[in-house]
Amino acid sequence: GENVEQHPSTLSVQEGDSAVIKCTYSDSASNYFPWYKQELGKRPQLIIDIRSNVGEKKDQRIAVTLNKTAKHFSLHITETQPEDSAVYFCAASNAGGTSYGKLTFGQGTILTVHP
Amino acid sequence: GAVVSQHPSWVICKSGTSVKIECRSLDFQATTMFWYRQFPKQSLMLMATSNEGSKATYEQGVEKDKFLINHASLTLSTLTVTSAHPEDSSFYICSAKRWGEGTDTQYFGPGTRLTVL
Repeated sequence: GENVEQHPSTLSVQEGDSAVIKCTYSDSASNYFPWYKQELGKRPQLIIDIRSNVGEKKDQRIAVTLNKTAKHFSLHITETQPEDSAVYFCAASNAGGTSYGKLTFGQGTILTVHP
Repeated sequence: GAVVSQHPSWVICKSGTSVKIECRSLDFQATTMFWYRQFPKQSLMLMATSNEGSKATYEQGVEKDKFLINHASLTLSTLTVTSAHPEDSSFYICSAKRWGEGTDTQYFGPGTRLTVL
């Protein structure tokens, strides 16, 4: 099955700095890569996603890059703000396969943005 | 649109009792629902995939006789934790894929905090 590794486990930055979180996946059939933000005790919120036919996607301060050959993808947050502080999870799935697009999550990154 | 609810939001029960958690898609039909478990400071671990009208598909290591899943309609899936024990205490989250949307997006419920005494 799929295995997703996420690094770093914790990340501390100053407000205004950039933050980068990286994930690798093992199953070359995976073709959908979402990123979620989760605050304590809350549901995961989709912040951006990318599909395997695209190498990069950007939404305001958030961007995701995908390298299919190397099987890794990264989340980039620019101009970080204290409200960006949360746990971030990457995930991978084979959206068109027989597994109904089940997600395999990375271990999570605790991002802390200091004012 | 695409709202998923869970009930209850939290539950405390005694060891040995059974607890049922409901997951509803409020404004869309969901052909597939997923159940996850999240222990404190850990990631989401998929427990099972639930398709309407079919038996659930459980992930390796998840006891199907202990975690009963029923997906009787396109808007409701239930997870019953049978004979719950303290080690079953966790945050249980469901997600749903919208039928006919043709995308990969999963919409997550708010989660249910289960505490077994």
